[in-house]
Amino acid sequence: SQQGEEDPQALSIQEGENATMNCSYKTSINNLQWYRQNSGRGLVHLILIRSNEREKHSGRLRVTLDTSKKSSSLLITASRAADTASYFCATDDRGSGGSNYKLTFGKGTLLTVNP
Amino acid sequence: DADVTQTPRNRITKTGKRIMLECSQTKGHDRMYWYRQDPGLGLRLIYYSFDVKDINKGEISDGYSVSRQAQAKFSLSLESAIPNQTALYFCATSDPGTGQETQYFGPGTRLLVL
Repeated sequence: SQQGEEDPQALSIQEGENATMNCSYKTSINNLQWYRQNSGRGLVHLILIRSNEREKHSGRLRVTLDTSKKSSSLLITASRAADTASYFCATDDRGSGGSNYKLTFGKGTLLTVNP
Repeated sequence: DADVTQTPRNRITKTGKRIMLECSQTKGHDRMYWYRQDPGLGLRLIYYSFDVKDINKGEISDGYSVSRQAQAKFSLSLESAIPNQTALYFCATSDPGTGQETQYFGPGTRLLVL
């Protein structure tokens, strides 16, 4: 079953605009990660935020986490055509009581940045 | 050179055939994973291994088997391929010692079962 669900499924913006993607999850977590996937390629880790953190920055990326609402957002500022990709959130299963650590990925948001 | 490699990159096979997808890593990570990706469904975990002697089923293990030949190698087999196993398959690794459990992905194997 999917733990994280991204919203929107697809987002199209102009270069220079900001892009915001959201992720909702169901069970308690220790951390939440965001990954990027260029078309047909492997996923690349972008940023990790721990459950005791509310906001984290990395370059043009800003991630927020609201554990009371079980949601996270990824903001990409001043977007570029090269940011065109699918973005996935991933949550760890430790909080669900599982004895083995693994990630559960959402279905992703397809971001298109038009030049 | 890429840290996580997958072979083959593309494969076309027929229903009923046995095939093996291979994954090798030079990152020295103990943990390895196999996922499949289908359009609109995101990534789903097939099997994972936390060390050479540890193999665990994931969300969708039916129809698949794995072998962890060494720390660096983790193979996925389809014993008798069927068309609904057509998908993009990814191998990934992680290192629990970092405390962050970031996963590092291979480039993927695109499999078509006719």
